[in-house]
Amino acid sequence: AQSVTQPDIHITVSEGASLELRCNYSYGATPYLFWYVQSPGQGLQLLLKYFSGDTLVQGIKGFEAEFKRSQSSFNLRKPSVHWSDAAEYFCAVGAGTYKYIFGTGTRLKVLA
Amino acid sequence: NAGVTQTPKFQVLKTGQSMTLQCAQDMNHEYMSWYRQDPGMGLRLIHYSVGAGITDQGEVPNGYNVSRSTTEDFPLRLLSAAPSQTSVYFCASSYRGDGKETQYFGPGTRLLVL
Repeated sequence: AQSVTQPDIHITVSEGASLELRCNYSYGATPYLFWYVQSPGQGLQLLLKYFSGDTLVQGIKGFEAEFKRSQSSFNLRKPSVHWSDAAEYFCAVGAGTYKYIFGTGTRLKVLA
Repeated sequence: NAGVTQTPKFQVLKTGQSMTLQCAQDMNHEYMSWYRQDPGMGLRLIHYSVGAGITDQGEVPNGYNVSRSTTEDFPLRLLSAAPSQTSVYFCASSYRGDGKETQYFGPGTRLLVL
């Protein structure tokens, strides 16, 4: 069955530290992969997406993600976290025409 | 472009009441969908539409109806509200360009059913 797993429910990092949020997917075909961010009380904003080609994709706000087919992973990274990055992050896979499966989210807390 | 808009932002209902959550997009996107977001469960697909006049069920359709009479609008109807439908509801739209799809979300509607 198609699924997306975000194994970390909560992550706390200090401001200025590096960040990696994990995402693993289960999907038979070549996936379309997305990361979204949700600030409290807000909708979901697209951070970045992967369709094909270069497995390292750059997004907004200094985020990047790397697609690793052998590990079925699409981890999100940022070299230096800012306090404004505190939010909830969702990984999603495009599971066929217009179908998307979301992970359960990782809530990021940033310590000053 | 306003993108994807949703109204109302917040609603309180009593058990058994009905209501319609409105969703509109001005990007001429073919695909629209409704999700509900509950703590620890991520987003779950309720209903979706691949074009005007075409709708289908998602993962959690029970208790909800949709219709798509125009490309722009995709309302979600709660027929008889239940406390289990207390949630945050998100509408989304997407297009297919060069075989690639990207989904854009509205700001959400917070629904409380008493």
